[in-house]
Amino acid sequence: QSALNQPASVSGSPGQTITISCTGTNSDIGDYNYVSWYQQFPGKAPRLIIYEVTNRPSGVSNRFSGSKSDNTASLTISGLQAEDEADYYCSSYRKSDMPRVFGGGTKVTVL
Amino acid sequence: EVQLMESGGDLVQPGGSLRLSCVASGFTFANHGMSWVRQGPGKGLEWVSCISGRSTTTYYADSVRGRFTVSRDNSKNTLTLQMNSLTAEDTAIYYCTKDQWLERHDSWGQGTHVIVSS
Repeated sequence: QSALNQPASVSGSPGQTITISCTGTNSDIGDYNYVSWYQQFPGKAPRLIIYEVTNRPSGVSNRFSGSKSDNTASLTISGLQAEDEADYYCSSYRKSDMPRVFGGGTKVTVL
Repeated sequence: EVQLMESGGDLVQPGGSLRLSCVASGFTFANHGMSWVRQGPGKGLEWVSCISGRSTTTYYADSVRGRFTVSRDNSKNTLTLQMNSLTAEDTAIYYCTKDQWLERHDSWGQGTHVIVSS
């Protein structure tokens, strides 16, 4: 079973807004609102930053926001800062005998 | 504060076995599903397996089904991954996660390194 599809890299200048897409199928993103996003710095464990498509856990900056349209979910980072430079992974519930799936990850670079 | 502490990672020969453990604290362990997620060198995250709070339901990725077994001891707040018939493709950092069952991975441990090499 294939992973969710993310761009390998996205870049932006400080203060800009960037969006990372995550494309799935009708068996995951298209039919369920259990999309989550994770931020990972080099050498560190991932951290949950968005769950159920749009919700932020306590302590996560409101510069991070999530959305979904059809089979594609998106993570938007507004007011991009140097500290946002990291890898970002989407994940979803999938109706199958393998009910969790991740995207391939997107490296965000702040120019 | 949720804490997840993995252990058991090691260098092992192809075909060998390894048992990973994850000790949890800071939450009611039995009330939460748990997962193992791995990350190969320079690669992305790969979900490996998950187990429900009372161990009634388990799931596995195709890449490990039949070789790995997930279990838990709620009396000891411990999650375990028994890994058999290891291959080089199993080389990775293995993370233990506290889950909202099948929906998301709320908290992550720091990971334990597994290297499969002769």
